[in-house]
Amino acid sequence: NAGVTQTPKFRILKIGQSMTLQCAQDMNHNYMYWYRQDPGMGLKLIYYSVGAGITDKGEVPNGYNVSRSTTEDFPLRLELAAPSQTSVYFCASIYEGTNTIYFGEGSWLTVV
Amino acid sequence: AQTVTQSQPEMSVQEAETVTLSCTYDTSESDYYLFWYKQPPSRQMILVIRQEAYKQQNATENRFSVNFQKAAKSFSLKISDSQLGDAAMYFCAYRGYGGSQGNLIFGKGTKLSVKP
Repeated sequence: NAGVTQTPKFRILKIGQSMTLQCAQDMNHNYMYWYRQDPGMGLKLIYYSVGAGITDKGEVPNGYNVSRSTTEDFPLRLELAAPSQTSVYFCASIYEGTNTIYFGEGSWLTVV
Repeated sequence: AQTVTQSQPEMSVQEAETVTLSCTYDTSESDYYLFWYKQPPSRQMILVIRQEAYKQQNATENRFSVNFQKAAKSFSLKISDSQLGDAAMYFCAYRGYGGSQGNLIFGKGTKLSVKP
């Protein structure tokens, strides 16, 4: 999964703090996604983007914001962190030609 | 909205035996894509197999094959000759087509254990 880079890999936040999870891909993919995965659960879609300047909400967008100013970058912003946002966050992009999904390695976030 | 359901939270199989993981989905679209992903404890997401809905032939990748029943909206994964390395979480996923390509939805997963 070298094509999708997520930073940071681990982060501990205090309640009420804000932070941005970075996601970048160098494959010129239009579609990008942010998911969260709670322990023992599947991936829930937070936000997605179909191209630069275009974003849309997924299943669980509350407490998050995104932007897509370039094709390469799709940062996820957490405002006023809450313990319920403790999770592993995955960024993904899709190569349309083969419908291949590329995942980042995940970002482990703990809110205390 | 589309949904993906995996009704088996956990499954167990003996090494070298065959196991089938279930997945059903709900959609009003006629064209879409379906996937099975494997997630080991490292949390890495590994593509197992992919199926285009317009293709009637079931996809196969070595020991992994699917039973795609479009009318029943069912997409089960069969693992033959199970190996210890197959132990992992398995997720079924749906992706829309055309204007719905933004929809990439995952099921809750099935935890597969392989007994030696």
